[in-house]
Amino acid sequence: SAVISQKPSRDICQRGTSLTIQCQVDSQVTMMFWYRQQPGQSLTLIATANQGSEATYESGFVIDKFPISRPNLTFSTLTVSNMSPEDSSIYLCSVTITGGLFFGSGTQLSVL
Amino acid sequence: RKEVEQDPGPFNVPEGATVAFNCTYSNSASQSFFWYRQDCRKEPKLLMSVYSSGNEDGRFTAQLNRASQYISLLIRDSKLSDSATYLCVVIRGGFKTIFGAGTRLFVKA
Repeated sequence: SAVISQKPSRDICQRGTSLTIQCQVDSQVTMMFWYRQQPGQSLTLIATANQGSEATYESGFVIDKFPISRPNLTFSTLTVSNMSPEDSSIYLCSVTITGGLFFGSGTQLSVL
Repeated sequence: RKEVEQDPGPFNVPEGATVAFNCTYSNSASQSFFWYRQDCRKEPKLLMSVYSSGNEDGRFTAQLNRASQYISLLIRDSKLSDSATYLCVVIRGGFKTIFGAGTRLFVKA
């Protein structure tokens, strides 16, 4: 498995502001993934973060709204930009290692 | 139709009961299969991988049926601490991960 540190664990933000979520892994990984889980729903992949190239976004998610950085093989950030109440959700980073997909502890975001 | 489908439940069972969950997947190119457990407001955690030959870990048994494209999870001697949402997860194309919506389990004393 992997130790994945994600922060902040929760935040309450005003609409129109932005929040950057950080994810640190204790080992080098090629791909990191960012998911969103809205209340009562399952996980939805936002994007795949690759080191040295732009992130790959899933349908319905765009770089202007969810810019991602991946400066090295152990770290990534996801920014939720120009937030609205509809962005209230849990955001999770994850990595794939032999044996499965492992998650950070999540960031619970509430937008007022 | 969703690519990975689960009965959302909830399943309400007494302590000590045996409970089984099924999950079906529609893409025959799916390669890897897992069950995850998610507690309320927590991240999903890997419970076990699923193989055609079956996989047992204590009170938990997982099985894959490729011909019928479903996977199952059996929990024996249910404990209160087993109460959670169980997510069926399928991987195809190397890393494309698809999550089921989850099955809620409540174990009551």
